[in-house]
Amino acid sequence: NAGVTQTPKFRVLKTGQSMTLLCAQDMNHEYMYWYRQDPGMGLRLIHYSVGEGTTAKGEVPDGYNVSRLKKQNFLLGLESAAPSQTSVYFCASSYSPDTQYFGPGTRLTVL
Amino acid sequence: DQQVKQNSPSLSVQEGRISILNCDYTNSMFDYFLWYKKYPAEGPTFLISISSIKDKNEDGRFTVFLNKSAKHLSLHIVPSQPGDSAVYFCAARDSGTASKLTFGTGTRLQVTL
Repeated sequence: NAGVTQTPKFRVLKTGQSMTLLCAQDMNHEYMYWYRQDPGMGLRLIHYSVGEGTTAKGEVPDGYNVSRLKKQNFLLGLESAAPSQTSVYFCASSYSPDTQYFGPGTRLTVL
Repeated sequence: DQQVKQNSPSLSVQEGRISILNCDYTNSMFDYFLWYKKYPAEGPTFLISISSIKDKNEDGRFTVFLNKSAKHLSLHIVPSQPGDSAVYFCAARDSGTASKLTFGTGTRLQVTL
C-alpha cells in the first residue's frame, strides 16, 4: 500500500515549457486534490475532483489544467510555465472531504 | 481574503512544556476543523480534528479546543517533544461547499532541549 505517490519529485522548466505532474493513489479514494505551497501562503487549492471524470476549480486555478480519467490518477498540467508557478505542489486524496492524505510533493522551478 | 488565519508564523517551546498553536477563522459556515503536521520535504499528515458540535477533542498528547463564538481554535501539545518540531497547518471545511478544505498559512513549532 503506497498511499499517495507523486511523479516527478523535482523538475526544472524554462518559461513557456509545458509539463504534467502525475498523482496516483491506491486507497480507492473518490476525492483528489492539487495544492501549491508557497512561503507565507500556506496550502492553496488549485483544482480538485470529487470522482472519476469530474474536476473543479479551486482557489488558484489559472495557468493549470487537470484530468481525472481514472479513479486512481489525477494529473496536473502546466501548458506554458511561468516563473510565478515556481512552487512545491502537493497532491492529496480522501474518502471524504475531511481527512486528506498527502503525497510527498513535487518541487518545481520555472526559470 | 484569508478565511483561516494563523497569526503566529513561528513558536519556540522548551521540551516538556506545553505548546499552544492558535487559529482564527472568519467563515461561519465552517463545520469541521483539522490540524495537519508537516515535516520538511514531506507532505502534510493529519493530526487531529474536531466537529463544530464539540468544543474539545483529545488524542494522547494532542488536544484541540474550539470556541465557536470567538471563531477560534487552538491545538495544545503536552508535553512537547523534540519530534514535534514541524509546521502545523489549521484547516476548515465549509458545510456549504463540503468537497474541500481551506488551510491556514501554518505555524512553525520548534521544541528545544
